[in-house]
Amino acid sequence: GEDVEQSLFLSVREGDSSVINCTYTDSSSTYLYWYKQEPGAGLQLLTYIFSNMDMKQDQRLTVLLNKKDKHLSLRIADTQTGDSAIYFCAEIRDTGRRALTFGSGTRLQVQP
Amino acid sequence: NAGVTQTPKFQVLKTGQSMTLQCAQDMNHEYMSWYRQDPGMGLRLIHYSVGAGITDQGEVPNGYNVSRSTTEDFPLRLLSAAPSQTSVYFCATLQGSYGYTFGSGTRLTVV
Repeated sequence: GEDVEQSLFLSVREGDSSVINCTYTDSSSTYLYWYKQEPGAGLQLLTYIFSNMDMKQDQRLTVLLNKKDKHLSLRIADTQTGDSAIYFCAEIRDTGRRALTFGSGTRLQVQP
Repeated sequence: NAGVTQTPKFQVLKTGQSMTLQCAQDMNHEYMSWYRQDPGMGLRLIHYSVGAGITDQGEVPNGYNVSRSTTEDFPLRLLSAAPSQTSVYFCATLQGSYGYTFGSGTRLTVV
């Protein structure tokens, strides 16, 4: 099963804020990522955060990292219908292979 | 600048057939990798390469072969397709630690 855990589904109204949560496993993970996948498309890197940071803001996106609880969140302000997609958090646990370990993804549905 | 290009986009194979999924990149990234994505799951690493002539196994390598003769290309070969290999396959490159660049995927069905 997945070691990186995410809730499966989130529904919000257009204009509201969305918060997608993720629990990861390896406290030594140096980089943590958020990817977006639209239907039939590949994964698009949204943002990343280094483990020595608590927060990172990039336009409408805010990433919060709680290393003590191994909790990562992605907040999308003023959510738009174009934000409807699946969002994956990922960590690089295996630094030798530089392999990403993904959560199972959170499907965000934005209602007009 | 096309980034990461995967072909074909869709493929249907019969059990036992072989095929090659193509991946090409024009960013001169040394690191390339193949992932598979199954329903309800995140992506899992199949094989990866840290440069031309160097490949290694990922998390789920069985039934797949790779080679890396050039920096640009990293083909994935299915030797004898099985229904369990029905999946969406993504090729990805990595430069530094700032995240992967993914191709748009190949959707493979094995019947």
